[in-house]
Amino acid sequence: RKEVEQDPGPFNVPEGATVAFNCTYSNSASQSFFWYRQDCRKEPKLLMSVYSSGNEDGRFTAQLNRASQYISLLIRDSKLSDSATYLCVVNNVNQGGKLIFGQGTELSVKP
Amino acid sequence: EADIYQTPRYLVIGTGKKITLECSQTMGHDKMYWYQQDPGMELHLIHYSYGVNSTEKGDLSSESTVSRIRTEHFPLTLESARPSHTSQYLCASTPDGNYGYTFGSGTRLTVV
Repeated sequence: RKEVEQDPGPFNVPEGATVAFNCTYSNSASQSFFWYRQDCRKEPKLLMSVYSSGNEDGRFTAQLNRASQYISLLIRDSKLSDSATYLCVVNNVNQGGKLIFGQGTELSVKP
Repeated sequence: EADIYQTPRYLVIGTGKKITLECSQTMGHDKMYWYQQDPGMELHLIHYSYGVNSTEKGDLSSESTVSRIRTEHFPLTLESARPSHTSQYLCASTPDGNYGYTFGSGTRLTVV
């Protein structure tokens, strides 16, 4: 079983749709959680950190459920420019705090 | 403005050549990482370093080697390039895993 597992994609949605990505992690000792965005043939870029109380950044909302070891990302009013691969990332406290990357979920927003 | 730099951005090289991919960061981060990523596929950690003179192999077996003589510099070397080494190589750094990683723009390597 992978340490971080994400919804298999791709997600194809129309502009303006709300889309939710789900992620589960296996190491209950994990302390830090992130969502990264990766455009085609580019490097991953930090989209947002995920906090226990949940957090919002404009159209993006991240939630963390430690009991279920589950992380989510909600994108409201999706734009064409949101098309990218979204990576769920968890730190591994047993390995010097290395980040473990999920395989990513591809989002394609269509006009 | 990037604080972590990778050169070259693109490289096409013949089989058997020795190559060094450069990665430098100006943020004073102790922890640096090299990832390999094929198009549309997930990231694979191939090397990491927690400071000067510290290097470790990652989760994916790689024929490359790395060195960390200076905090800001973490080059990756392939002694004899092969077509199977064709991929994108991404360098990243962080002061601490709790802060996430900052990635360089990557080197897209093609071995012919």
